Amino acid sequence: AQSVTQLGSHVSVSEGALVLLRCNYSSSVPPYLFWYVQYPNQGLQLLLKYTTGATLVKGINGFEAEFKKSETSFHLTKPSAHMSDAAEYFCAVRNSGGSNYKLTFGKGTLLTVNP
Amino acid sequence: ETGVTQSPTHLIKTRGQQVTLRCSSQSGHNTVSWYQQALGQGPQFIFQYYREEENGRGNFPPRFSGLQFPNYSSELNVNALELDDSALYLCASSPKLAGDIQYFGAGTRLSVL
Repeated sequence: AQSVTQLGSHVSVSEGALVLLRCNYSSSVPPYLFWYVQYPNQGLQLLLKYTTGATLVKGINGFEAEFKKSETSFHLTKPSAHMSDAAEYFCAVRNSGGSNYKLTFGKGTLLTVNP
Repeated sequence: ETGVTQSPTHLIKTRGQQVTLRCSSQSGHNTVSWYQQALGQGPQFIFQYYREEENGRGNFPPRFSGLQFPNYSSELNVNALELDDSALYLCASSPKLAGDIQYFGAGTRLSVL
């Protein structure tokens, strides 16, 4: 079964600093990977997705993620944090094979941005 | 184009009761998935509906059931509520079964007392 592991349940950065949120995946086949963001009391919003092709994926709000097969990683980065980036971030993998296309999520990383 | 809408936004029930949560898919989407998000956890897959038929189920007991209607809206029903059912329930729709993006609603917060 495919799964993702998010390293660090809580990351705190200063405004303007680099954001790095870590995600490792487990999959025996090329995975479909996603990063979602959840603001307080809201649903999930897609930041970016990796399917096939280019390993550096650009998303919304200045975020990007790099797919590294050798490290089975899909870390999320943003060069300069903004206060509005404070939220919970979820890495997810979409299953392949079988008849449904469920997402399996990590436990999430809460990002706080300090002024 | 309207997004995924869920109702109600909040709900309080007591143990043993039954609850129905509703979801309107994004226009043109024929696949709906339901997820349960417990406090401090990532969403967990409950089940998926495609063209009114259940198309896969996660590790949830039979008292969790669903429906999808011809207009592709959906319901999640939970019978015999337990305290551990307290969670945020998220609905997500996709434009097709193999669509690689799921669009989420804001969720229904269920509290079981």
